[in-house]
Amino acid sequence: DTAVSQTPKYLVTQMGNDKSIKCEQNLGHDTMYWYKQDSKKFLKIMFSYNNKELIINETVPNRFSPKSPDKAHLNLHINSLELGDSAVYFCASSPYHMLGELFFGEGSRLTVL
Amino acid sequence: KNEVEQSPQNLTAQEGEFITINCSYSVGISALHWLQQHPGGGIVSLFMLSSGKKKHGRLIATINIQEKHSSLHITASHPRDSAVYICGYFGNEKLTFGTGTRLTIIP
Repeated sequence: DTAVSQTPKYLVTQMGNDKSIKCEQNLGHDTMYWYKQDSKKFLKIMFSYNNKELIINETVPNRFSPKSPDKAHLNLHINSLELGDSAVYFCASSPYHMLGELFFGEGSRLTVL
Repeated sequence: KNEVEQSPQNLTAQEGEFITINCSYSVGISALHWLQQHPGGGIVSLFMLSSGKKKHGRLIATINIQEKHSSLHITASHPRDSAVYICGYFGNEKLTFGTGTRLTIIP
């Protein structure tokens, strides 16, 4: 039973489109995160949510909108996709905000053409 | 300048060698993480530590809070240890990661 699952694993789309990536964790953790890993493999925090409340928003363009309907889910919606959005997006969770081991999803590879 | 510096960036070694990967950071932290990213892309948490030393199998992680430095050691390295190792920390109200060390173990 996967601890942190994200869908889809692969997403290929045209510039200007809108797309969503979904993430769910069954660990009972309070905190979930979205990370972006670029082509140079640099892992950068985008957002963190603690118990459905936005905590970290790391200067991410407004085109990116996270939504947390409950503490087990954190979805990422991206409007008006740009070439530079191509990356692997990782969802993760931890027991508490800024505390505890991180558990990562398998990643979602987004390619914008 | 990245707030987390890892060295070396790339490391190739023979199977069985003792491996050390270093991580230096510049701010006060509450915890430091070591992650492993396999060639397939998945990321696994290896250690979370805030002081001293932790051991899991052939992997050992140490941290010196005063010197703002951590090391990851692998004893009796094996080709399956080939991966990118990333250190990062919770600190300064942020989550920050290094650019990783690519380790290749040759049989």
